[in-house]
Amino acid sequence: AQSVTQLGSHVSVSEGALVLLRCNYSSSVPPYLFWYVQYPNQGLQLLLKYTSAATLVKGINGFEAEFKKSETSFHLTKPSAHMSDAAEYFCAVSYGEYNQGGKLIFGQGTELSVKP
Amino acid sequence: EPEVTQTPSHQVTQMGQEVILRCVPISNHLYFYWYRQILGQKVEFLVSFYNNEISEKSEIFDDQFSVERPDGSNFTLKIRSTKLEDSAMYFCASGGLSGSGNTIYFGEGSWLTVV
Repeated sequence: AQSVTQLGSHVSVSEGALVLLRCNYSSSVPPYLFWYVQYPNQGLQLLLKYTSAATLVKGINGFEAEFKKSETSFHLTKPSAHMSDAAEYFCAVSYGEYNQGGKLIFGQGTELSVKP
Repeated sequence: EPEVTQTPSHQVTQMGQEVILRCVPISNHLYFYWYRQILGQKVEFLVSFYNNEISEKSEIFDDQFSVERPDGSNFTLKIRSTKLEDSAMYFCASGGLSGSGNTIYFGEGSWLTVV
């Protein structure tokens, strides 16, 4: 079955430190990969997506993620954390084009805390 | 920037009552989705809708649930007889604008509390 695993339900970093949120997927077929962010009491906002072009994907707010097929990973990073980055981050995978009903399968989420 | 809008933002209902959650997807999008997120848990797929019919549904989406696109702009989720375990945030999403890739855009969600 298709699945997404996010290692670490809670990650805490100091302001200015590197952010690394881990995501692994299970698939024998190259998927489409996404990171969404959810701020408190808000909806899901797309951070970035991988759709089989460049393996290093840059997103909004200084985040980027690298698709590594050999490791079936799509980890999210940001060089320097900001207090405003505190939120829940969800990795998601889709195995089809949207016009084939390509639903998203989400990981369980990682809550990022940023300490002053 | 176009966005998916959902109403109500929060609804409290008694167990056994019917609830309708409404969504206005991004215009020109072709695919519509409902997801739910029980407090503290992951976001779960409920149903996808294309060309006026359900294209895929999860095990969660049983006979208690139905979706409809009544007027070409709204997309609704109906829960016929709510149960306590239906309490969750329900997200509407849309995608499928030609050339936009696989991005699915989410609304801000509707909190449903069943008491």
